[in-house]
Amino acid sequence: GESVGLHLPTLSVQEGDNSIINCAYSNSASDYFIWYKQESGKGPQFIIDIRSNMDKRQGQRVTVLLNKTVKHLSLQIAATQPGDSAVYFCAETGANSKLTFGKGITLSVRP
Amino acid sequence: DAGITQSPRHKVTETGTPVTLRCHQTENHRYMYWYRQDPGHGLRLIHYSYGVKDTDKGEVSDGYSVSRSKTEDFLLTLESATSSQTSVYFCATARVEVGRPGAEAFFGQGTRLTVV
Repeated sequence: GESVGLHLPTLSVQEGDNSIINCAYSNSASDYFIWYKQESGKGPQFIIDIRSNMDKRQGQRVTVLLNKTVKHLSLQIAATQPGDSAVYFCAETGANSKLTFGKGITLSVRP
Repeated sequence: DAGITQSPRHKVTETGTPVTLRCHQTENHRYMYWYRQDPGHGLRLIHYSYGVKDTDKGEVSDGYSVSRSKTEDFLLTLESATSSQTSVYFCATARVEVGRPGAEAFFGQGTRLTVV
């Protein structure tokens, strides 16, 4: 079937290396940010979130960094594994309940 | 997948015909969303609902309407399908307003719609 990763930027990393996926957001009023992972043929899955009053949050093997000054969000994946290969989306929301997604980045893990 | 079922999973329809996609959830989540996903565009919000009979437009709502007559069902209708509406459609639900603690949004498996 058609891949949702077509035409998206691709980040290629070696298995075992750390990955950094970046996202620029546009709405300075957004106060909550989320990273989603989407594997082929599936819906997006929640990875980690961060509120605007924080600049860093850690999960299991993942860290999200938020720089509100330049409206930049990043997702760091430690010791990248083949199962991390997917399309990654950042999403933002503000005072309303709309959840707006970025265009996505394809992560490809080389064995 | 938080008990979210989208139907149908695949559909081919002709230009000009009406089409209704259904999202059914068993989690009693208040918030429900319809997105479309196209290559190179990511996920774009079509409509969302913040309660029974309470809906609002997203960024690409033209040509689409929604209805939510009960908590568990959120219907997306293409009044007169066009080829530009060929896409993969995802439904999502959230227990509380996204942005509040515990507001993780869960997604269904998607519906692939082709308009010929």
